[in-house]
Amino acid sequence: GEDVEQSLFLSVREGDSSVINCTYTDSSSTYLYWYKQEPGAGLQLLTYIFSNMDMKQDQRLTVLLNKKDKHLSLRIADTQTGDSAIYFCAESIQEYSTLTFGKGTMLLVSP
Amino acid sequence: KAGVTQTPRYLIKTRGQQVTLSCSPISGHRSVSWYQQTPGQGLQFLFEYFSETQRNKGNFPGRFSGRQFSNSRSEMNVSTLELGDSALYLCASKDGGYGYTFGSGTRLTVV
Repeated sequence: GEDVEQSLFLSVREGDSSVINCTYTDSSSTYLYWYKQEPGAGLQLLTYIFSNMDMKQDQRLTVLLNKKDKHLSLRIADTQTGDSAIYFCAESIQEYSTLTFGKGTMLLVSP
Repeated sequence: KAGVTQTPRYLIKTRGQQVTLSCSPISGHRSVSWYQQTPGQGLQFLFEYFSETQRNKGNFPGRFSGRQFSNSRSEMNVSTLELGDSALYLCASKDGGYGYTFGSGTRLTVV
């Protein structure tokens, strides 16, 4: 069945780079997403990548996909205290398929 | 464009009661999905509606139901509430593009 796994916690200092990792098991996954959730809020779509891509960069965010190992990572450059939140990796098989989420990685950025 | 609007934001109900949650998607979005978020189980898919038809359903008991109206607004209903139904219920909408846009959620507490 489908399963998405993430490490639970990451702590970094302001200005450093953060790397959040995710592994998925469904080789049919076509769309892979990163969402951010701040306390008391819903989910904010940060970025996505298609399975036929290796990398995608969007300002401070870089997504790397290793399809062979079913490994996805999100790198945040110059991490700020405002980046402190829970980050969810999610995958879907088709554009309108349901999303399967990981349990989320709590990122804590200290000054 | 206004985002996804969920009402109410907070709700307290007693065991055995029923509850109805509302979601107004982004204007023009025809697909609406519902997710349940709990600390233990994380984000779990409930159901998805497209043009008033349920297209996908998650693994939840029949006490959980939903519907979508002709204006794409959606409601979900939970009957005979149990303590374990306490959760953040998130609605998301989509119409083309990639990734779902989530609302801020309804925090349901069952006492």
